[in-house]
This record gives sequence, structure tokens and C-alpha cells, in this order.
Amino acid sequence: EAGVTQFPSHSVIEKGQTVTLRCDPISGHDNLYWYRRVMGKEIKFLLHFVKESKQDESGMPNNRFLAERTGGTYSTLKVQPAELEDSGVYFCASRELLGVNTEAFFGQGTRLTVV
Amino acid sequence: AQSVTQLGSHVSVSEGALVLLRCNYSSSVPPYLFWYVQYPNQGLQLLLKYTSAATLVKGINGFEAEFKKSETSFHLTKPSAHMSDAAEYFCAVSDRGGGFKTIFGAGTRLFVKA
Repeated sequence: EAGVTQFPSHSVIEKGQTVTLRCDPISGHDNLYWYRRVMGKEIKFLLHFVKESKQDESGMPNNRFLAERTGGTYSTLKVQPAELEDSGVYFCASRELLGVNTEAFFGQGTRLTVV
Repeated sequence: AQSVTQLGSHVSVSEGALVLLRCNYSSSVPPYLFWYVQYPNQGLQLLLKYTSAATLVKGINGFEAEFKKSETSFHLTKPSAHMSDAAEYFCAVSDRGGGFKTIFGAGTRLFVKA
């Protein structure tokens, strides 16, 4: 069974450009999460989808970040326009059951560098 | 609010020595605790989890952790370090009141010396 996959694995863009990160969760997982680790800091929660609905987006840093999950399958995280402080590793995770605590499965992450 | 604190951002051990990575948690409800590992250039992999069953939890690659409620700790141990254990380790708690999102500690980088 395929795990959580993220595309691209690395992205280098210039300040002011737009970047879109993609996450394909494990098939059948209703819960999808985005996290970010800025250099030297903790891994921080960004937002949580339940199917196609945003359950919690309290961790989104500002309105330059837009996440979508069309059809409740894969998700995209767009940064527009990118700023230097957006550099970091973006992780996606999926979890199976609603309302039940099981572990989350993480993707490889996308390393974003804004120059 | 739930949180975890990892003591020591870097730990260095000799090959064959005991590995001890410390984690303390704060939670107003019985916590669900995890240890994840990130090897170089890889994603986060679950090492083990505590979900209120046995307090001593065994994970992959010879790691184990013991849940101690009285000490609010969930330290990770391995009797004998191997070079391949060099990685970054994250203690985490599941936010039961917040959609079960994962709350991470700051991470501990483990170095293993030959």
C-alpha cells in the first residue's frame, strides 16, 4: 500500500513567486494535515482537513497560504506570493478514522527554499 | 493545552552504548504519545506509540519507551546504539481536543560515534 506522497520533494523559488505543494494521502484516510518546520524550529501544525472540509486552519500563518482538498482526496498548499520566511520543510500527514485516535502517517516532506 | 518538551537538542553516544532521549508531556487528559524518527533526507517515521494500554511500549529497531504518569515522562531508550540510529527524534502528543493533530517537541538529534 502506498504511503503519503508529497510533490515536489524540493522547490527553490524566488521571493514573490508562487509555489504549489501537493499531498496525496493514504487511500481512505479522511483526515489530512499540513505541518511546517522552519529551520531550527519545531514542527508546527498548519491545518486539518476532514474529507474536503477545513476542520482547523488555526496554524496557517497568513493569507498568503491557501490550502485545498478537492473531492476529499489529494490536497494542495499554495503560497502566493512567497516570502523568505516561508522557507522550510512542509509535511503532510493523513490519519484514518474520524473521532478515533490513531497515529498519523507522514509524507517525505517538501523542502521549500525561497531566495 | 497539550505540549511536549524534549530535553537536549543534541545527544551523542558511542556505538553500543545506551540511548536515552528524554521527553516530558503536559496534558489535562490521558495523553496519546508518540515517538517519530527522521533519518537524513527522509520523512517522519513512527517509532512507537502509547495509547493507554501497557506503560512500556516497544517499537521498531529495538527502541522502547516507558510512560510514567507520576513523572509526566515518556523517555525513549535503546540498550545498544548502532550507527544507523543517527537521526532526529521527535516526541509528540495527539491533541485529543483538537482533531487529533500532532503536537511535536523540538526534536533531539542523536549522534552515534564509532
